Amino acid sequence: SQTIHQWPATLVQPVGSPLSLECTVEGTSNPNLYWYRQAAGRGLQLLFYSVGIGQISSEVPQNLSASRPQDRQFILSSKKLLLSDSGFYLCATGTGRYEQYFGPGTRLTVT
Amino acid sequence: LAKTTQPISMDSYEGQEVNITCSHNNIATNDYITWYQQFPSQGPRFIIQGYKTKVTNEVASLFIPADRKSSTLSLPRVSLSDTAVYYCLVGAAGNKLTFGGGTRVLVKP
Repeated sequence: SQTIHQWPATLVQPVGSPLSLECTVEGTSNPNLYWYRQAAGRGLQLLFYSVGIGQISSEVPQNLSASRPQDRQFILSSKKLLLSDSGFYLCATGTGRYEQYFGPGTRLTVT
Repeated sequence: LAKTTQPISMDSYEGQEVNITCSHNNIATNDYITWYQQFPSQGPRFIIQGYKTKVTNEVASLFIPADRKSSTLSLPRVSLSDTAVYYCLVGAAGNKLTFGGGTRVLVKP
């Protein structure tokens, strides 16, 4: 079965600071990988998805970026955080049947 | 991607059956209907998926009428631990998931 690791679990960063969130996947190869953000009390917003190494598609224009340096590693980054970047960030991997498995998430607070 | 509409919230009591209906009027021929459950500070968890008629697993049942323009997630005999947000999604294999606001289910003692 697939296991998704995310770290850190929580993060408090000042406005203007850089960001790097990491996601790694076990138990599968060549997975589709996704980054979502969830604001407090809201639904999930798809930020990026990747179908392979170096292949990134962005869903929403923003000051975030994503990279996939290895098959089972997905990184979310920012050069300068905004207050609006606060939220719950979730990494997910998908199967071909529209079923996704989510990691434990990272709670980011930008102050 | 087909847009879905579901109630914002529902209250229930322990031991009752909870039925959440989702509307998806523009569902496409190759779209599946998938439901997720999310507890606070956790990622969503896949509950059930179906294409037509009825699907049942150890957690829930999914009822889909012949026109497939709606679906109903049925949670039998809920407990306090079933308090969560439930999301209805519609899409085809390989497509990106689009989450709406979901339905907040509160189970009371």
